Amino acid sequence: DGGITQSPKYLFRKEGQNVTLSCEQNLNHDAMYWYRQDPGQGLRLIYYSQIVNDFQKGDIAEGYSVSREKKESFPLTVTSAQKNPTAFYLCASSPNRGSDTQYFGPGTRLTVL
Amino acid sequence: AQSVTQLGSHVSVSEGALVLLRCNYSSSVPPYLFWYVQYPNQGLQLLLKYTSAATLVKGINGFEAEFKKSETSFHLTKPSAHMSDAAEYFCAVSELRSGGSYIPTFGRGTSLIVHP
Repeated sequence: DGGITQSPKYLFRKEGQNVTLSCEQNLNHDAMYWYRQDPGQGLRLIYYSQIVNDFQKGDIAEGYSVSREKKESFPLTVTSAQKNPTAFYLCASSPNRGSDTQYFGPGTRLTVL
Repeated sequence: AQSVTQLGSHVSVSEGALVLLRCNYSSSVPPYLFWYVQYPNQGLQLLLKYTSAATLVKGINGFEAEFKKSETSFHLTKPSAHMSDAAEYFCAVSELRSGGSYIPTFGRGTSLIVHP
């Protein structure tokens, strides 16, 4: 089955620790995206990547970092500089930069204690 | 930048009743418009999208939406609600950003509650 995998489903970390969220897709899509979802605020774009070894900051990139070393993988690191990291994180992909439709993974709920 | 307004953070209907979820957008050019559905602790699933082919767009699960340029609206409807429709619904509008990527701007979401 083709799709987007995010792991783990639930993640707990202590304040001050960096944590990396995994996103893998086997759809052969060029573009990948990371969103943060908070109750009542919709989805906000953190980072996106149109092609391997290239990525751009989204609307709320501060405190986050990404890499895109492989086409199928786009991990997100939540650093200790992110002031309020507890949230639901969603990864998405689209066939290419010109595609208007995104396909979403199941999400990772991060709780920082 | 585009903005999307979903009127009502919660909409409550009885099973079998009409569902109407409202979405207004700001755009100076014909947009790409979307409705997504999210079940608890899951990702978003595309319900339908408007890409200028037809103003009335039919989606999955019996949902449809009508694009009204004069009102800058893209409201989502379903004639008869089912218990399984209870979920969070997001309206989104895509805009072309630097580098040639279409990036959606999402509304804050509307939670649909269906009563038996």
